[in-house]
Amino acid sequence: AQKVTQAQTEISVVEKEDVTLDCVYETRDTTYYLFWYKQPPSGELVFLIRRNSFDEQNEISGRYSWNFQKSTSSFNFTITASQVVDSAVYFCALSSSNTGKLIFGQGTTLQVKP
Amino acid sequence: GAVVSQHPSWVICKSGTSVKIECRSLDFQATTMFWYRQFPKQSLMLMATSNEGSKATYEQGVEKDKFLINHASLTLSTLTVTSAHPEDSSFYICSARYPRGRIDEQYFGPGTRLTVT
Repeated sequence: AQKVTQAQTEISVVEKEDVTLDCVYETRDTTYYLFWYKQPPSGELVFLIRRNSFDEQNEISGRYSWNFQKSTSSFNFTITASQVVDSAVYFCALSSSNTGKLIFGQGTTLQVKP
Repeated sequence: GAVVSQHPSWVICKSGTSVKIECRSLDFQATTMFWYRQFPKQSLMLMATSNEGSKATYEQGVEKDKFLINHASLTLSTLTVTSAHPEDSSFYICSARYPRGRIDEQYFGPGTRLTVT
């Protein structure tokens, strides 16, 4: 069975601090995809990144970076120099290459205080 | 490109009535759409996979007679919550799979907030 675990329910930081959101997944598929989404209070999901299981290269996009480690089944997300606008719920998700169904983690609520 | 819309964005209905939610892919054809449900302060849970021209596939524990899904065209899938009750109050989100892309290319609608009184 597929599973995504985000152990951190809530994180609170002060603006300009770096913060890492953890994500651990379980799957028996050899080909799969991992995602991070941001959900602001409006509810609309904002796509942040997609990574396939064969690409373990870390990625950096502005203040965002992602660390994918297959050996530990983790796909962690770091925000550098956090800003108040980063406050939201962040979801890590996993999809099977066969079905495309997304399995979401429980979500991490990030609060960035000024 | 790859825009998905949902209508209505929010709806309030009385217990016992039915509500229809539409999910449209505006600038692409989607052979597959997914419906998710999100209760307050919880994660998104997949309800069903909607395939154009065929019956929807429901996840375990989702009542197919209560949540009717119709994918009549390549750009429209509808979710009808029949005989709604307060426990059906939730945020319903659809996503559409881009047909020529890789299987992982999915685009989400903005969601529909349903409140049953």
